[in-house]
Amino acid sequence: GENVEQHPSTLSVQEGDSAVIKCTYSDSASNYFPWYKQELGKRPQLIIDIRSNVGEKKDQRIAVTLNKTAKHFSLHITETQPEDSAVYFCAASPMNYGGATNKLIFGTGTLLAVQP
Amino acid sequence: ETGVTQSPTHLIKTRGQQVTLRCSSQSGHNTVSWYQQALGQGPQFIFQYYREEENGRGNFPPRFSGLQFPNYSSELNVNALELDDSALYLCASSDGTIDEKLFFGSGTQLSVL
Repeated sequence: GENVEQHPSTLSVQEGDSAVIKCTYSDSASNYFPWYKQELGKRPQLIIDIRSNVGEKKDQRIAVTLNKTAKHFSLHITETQPEDSAVYFCAASPMNYGGATNKLIFGTGTLLAVQP
Repeated sequence: ETGVTQSPTHLIKTRGQQVTLRCSSQSGHNTVSWYQQALGQGPQFIFQYYREEENGRGNFPPRFSGLQFPNYSSELNVNALELDDSALYLCASSDGTIDEKLFFGSGTQLSVL
């Protein structure tokens, strides 16, 4: 079945450094790739997304890249700040998932710790 | 705030009992999806409701069922609770178009003892 692998599971960086989280998906027909940030005890919040007709998207300190051929996509956070500390989830939206639209297959998450 | 609200926030049940969780979608959204998030894991798709009909289901047994009402609010029902059903249950709404963004509620933390 559809699967999304996410690495690393934990990532510790110094404030001001960059952080990169990588995901691989199995369904080549997936066409939508969002990233969610989840702080402890809170809801997942959409921080950026990319569609399969775009290779890269940037929003201030956050960027996402997509390599459709390799079925890889990555989240890049520059100039990290302590408030970036959270669990980050990647997700992919397979084309056929029992007929549902906007259904997402999530990765297992990356715990990012930004040390002041 | 996204406007998706869920109730209750926390719930404790015993094995074999039944539970109903509730979700109010964001204004203007006609599609509601339910996800189960076990501790330390990513959310897993349970099912989706669009205009009061189930519109896709993940790999969950039939004892997980749902409803959507004319105002697009939704319920998740779980019968014959098992210990492994302990998780955060998240509701997400969208406007029903393909590949549109999902907005999550804060979830209901269910503990099965």
